[in-house]
Amino acid sequence: GIQVEQSPPDLILQEGANSTLRCNFSDSVNNLQWFHQNPWGQLINLFYIPSGTKQNGRLSATTVATERYSLLYISSSQTTDSGVYFCAVVKGAQKLVFGQGTRLTINP
Amino acid sequence: DSGVTQTPKHLITATGQRVTLRCSPRSGDLSVYWYQQSLDQGLQFLIQYYNGEERAKGNILERFSAQQFPDLHSELNLSSLELGDSALYFCASSAGLIYTFGSGTRLTVV
Repeated sequence: GIQVEQSPPDLILQEGANSTLRCNFSDSVNNLQWFHQNPWGQLINLFYIPSGTKQNGRLSATTVATERYSLLYISSSQTTDSGVYFCAVVKGAQKLVFGQGTRLTINP
Repeated sequence: DSGVTQTPKHLITATGQRVTLRCSPRSGDLSVYWYQQSLDQGLQFLIQYYNGEERAKGNILERFSAQQFPDLHSELNLSSLELGDSALYFCASSAGLIYTFGSGTRLTVV
């Protein structure tokens, strides 16, 4: 099946810093979503981005489908950005496959 | 509120017991998916239903079963529970390609 790799596995930053999270996938996909899992365990959908670039406030994402990777940018980090960021993909009519996540810690 | 409702939010039960987790998908979504997230692990796909029919199976144990009812809500039944079944169980629904997740049920087996 399709493989999803995220890097880095852990990232510790000071408040105000910028960060880039990467997601590589092993095959062409129909869907790619970025999720934020907050410290209470809730999974929040950030972006649906099978290709192209989207922005939502301090967050933006870019997927280069032909090169099989996606990037999530977080600018001017806040402590509330802490948590685990997951990339997940769908190929064909199959289920959503998750990467192992990047754990982001923003210190005040 | 994502529109996907899961109950209960927390569940503590003893080994050997059976529990039922419930999920109501977003209005109009026909597909329901169940995922398991063990401590510090990624999300593992368990099973998918589409309009009442089982569509795909993942790493679901034989002790676990699920169904989707005519009103499209779904239940995940976990039986003969073991300590290792302690996890967050998520339900998701989709219309087309975008998946929306519920808040999860945190199951603790003691």
